Amino acid sequence: DAGITQSPRHKVTETGTPVTLRCHQTENHRYMYWYRQDPGHGLRLIHYSYGVKDTDKGEVSDGYSVSRSKTEDFLLTLESATSSQTSVYFCAISGGVTYEQYFGPGTRLTVT
Amino acid sequence: GNSVTQMEGPVTLSEEAFLTINCTYTATGYPSLFWYVQYPGEGLQLLLKATKADDKGSNKGFEATYRKETTSFHLEKGSVQVSDSAVYFCALSVSPNQAGTALIFGKGTTLSVSS
Repeated sequence: DAGITQSPRHKVTETGTPVTLRCHQTENHRYMYWYRQDPGHGLRLIHYSYGVKDTDKGEVSDGYSVSRSKTEDFLLTLESATSSQTSVYFCAISGGVTYEQYFGPGTRLTVT
Repeated sequence: GNSVTQMEGPVTLSEEAFLTINCTYTATGYPSLFWYVQYPGEGLQLLLKATKADDKGSNKGFEATYRKETTSFHLEKGSVQVSDSAVYFCALSVSPNQAGTALIFGKGTTLSVSS
């Protein structure tokens, strides 16, 4: 299994509070991604990174920001959480050569 | 645009039955195609992949063939087991600004196998 961890694994927070999710990899892969998984939608890309300090938006980036100060860490921040951001969040990594991505175990976030 | 369409689930089968989960795609260029599996409470695991037309990906008894003429990548298994019960996702790769890759996922198909 690819060395990917996510923290926290579960979080309950209140509307309007900031939340930061962390993805940590030990594979030294260049590309990292944040997805959200919702019933009936599959997985949708939030943001991705193609190197340290290099990030870009995905399909559903509104209300989210990301940062990558080290190769191994990719942070997802909800500046002011809303109930519509209740979801399961998955981090993924890729070496980029053969396009497959490897996923972390996920973070279940509930915004009340 | 790029998209993936999977058959609606749930799919309910008896052990040792034949499985087909249909997947069709729309894409510009020549995407790579993937099947991922998600067991309850876990992340997604890569099941198999195909990177060009007529390639067959296979793993753990599952197979899928990249059919460019029908834009399809159907997942098959000859004899399912209870342990195959999971959600299966078809996905394709696109390359945003040539700076990396992103995956476009279907909505997933839930498979339930009973003994």
